[in-house]
Amino acid sequence: GEDVEQSLFLSVREGDSSVINCTYTDSSSTYLYWYKQEPGAGLQLLTYIFSNMDMKQDQRLTVLLNKKDKHLSLRIADTQTGDSAIYFCAEIARGSTLGRLYFGRGTQLTVWP
Amino acid sequence: DAGVTQSPTHLIKTRGQHVTLRCSPISGHKSVSWYQQVLGQGPQFIFQYYEKEERGRGNFPDRFSARQFPNYSSELNVNALLLGDSALYLCASSPIARQGYTFGSGTRLTVV
Repeated sequence: GEDVEQSLFLSVREGDSSVINCTYTDSSSTYLYWYKQEPGAGLQLLTYIFSNMDMKQDQRLTVLLNKKDKHLSLRIADTQTGDSAIYFCAEIARGSTLGRLYFGRGTQLTVWP
Repeated sequence: DAGVTQSPTHLIKTRGQHVTLRCSPISGHKSVSWYQQVLGQGPQFIFQYYEKEERGRGNFPDRFSARQFPNYSSELNVNALLLGDSALYLCASSPIARQGYTFGSGTRLTVV
């Protein structure tokens, strides 16, 4: 559960959809999370998905999980300038230290008006 | 409801000094974790405490220590500070281990 990979940058135009991708290495991961970090701030939990699910939707956010490819994605519909931030994918591996989240390096999302 | 609160928000220390960072979890949350986030990186796990016991430690030197109090608040202590300890230190709390963790706004530590 130590290698969570994300692309570093994504730019979209306001009103378009954003898709942020993440790959993880631990096939036994139980929970997978998406966090948002605005400049100078802490982490805001956006959503999480349990490993026995394929999809989860929450308002403008859709999480897709492909367990075979160990691929997680976050789709933001109707992206707004306020969505500009760094987005982190994180996992908790089955059997790992309780509460130990493994984070990717984060994807910087820039939304252009 | 108050979220996870951390103090201080910013701190400047000199190499070799000691620092104590504090965290108050959300009321009712018994699990507290500490993370270090260096600029440009994702957070790295330092410690987790659950019901006042250490349940996990990341790959950090013994200069880093922590404890959890009966009211579930927590302190992170770092001795003999190095320039490389400059980072955002984040505290996270959860009602049950493995559920979604709620993070505080962090303490920005600068070592000069």
